[in-house]
Amino acid sequence: GAGVSQSPSNKVTEKGKDVELRCDPISGHTALYWYRQSLGQGLEFLIYFQGNSAPDKSGLPSDRFSAERTGGSVSTLTIQRTQQEDSAVYLCASSVGLTNTGELFFGEGSRLTVL
Amino acid sequence: AQSVTQPDIHITVSEGASLELRCNYSYGATPYLFWYVQSPGQGLQLLLKYFSGDTLVQGIKGFEAEFKRSQSSFNLRKPSVHWSDAAEYFCAVFLSGGYNKLIFGAGTRLAVHP
Repeated sequence: GAGVSQSPSNKVTEKGKDVELRCDPISGHTALYWYRQSLGQGLEFLIYFQGNSAPDKSGLPSDRFSAERTGGSVSTLTIQRTQQEDSAVYLCASSVGLTNTGELFFGEGSRLTVL
Repeated sequence: AQSVTQPDIHITVSEGASLELRCNYSYGATPYLFWYVQSPGQGLQLLLKYFSGDTLVQGIKGFEAEFKRSQSSFNLRKPSVHWSDAAEYFCAVFLSGGYNKLIFGAGTRLAVHP
């Protein structure tokens, strides 16, 4: 597709389970971002990938969160041992890379509910 | 620390009235500034952006924003609001120079009365 694709769009899980959220960025976009949007909150930066460089993980809230990006394209955000406070919409965005001036293209998000 | 502040959490206006959403930023260098809109059940869409040059920028859907360096502000305006403008609006600043991340404000939710 032409835009950023995220799956699943909705995920309900039980506390303690692991979840994986997938992001397929726009073709040719070398930069990929994950953000978290909690109810009534703004967008919280989680992690940033740029090409083959080491990712900027400075926003990950705990070591239960991890992300990888395979082949410089698709990314997976993994949350281990989910907690209720992890319930949020997880947004992925991509952009054209290091020379970009910040314009990000967002997917529609994956809504995670932890029971 | 770099930050973006949107002082108004929730604003209600009547259809046809003018609108101004406030945004203040804290960033040492010249910022790249953005406004995004998130309509119910949809992803974020870029409304407009400021990189340099003319401090009054035009965006989509009839929106405009003015960068005021002296006030560290980038307020969003629209002269006449339509019911379809009801959404959540986010101001953001792009941190360049090795940071390469977009920092968002908490958002302003706009309700439009008929």
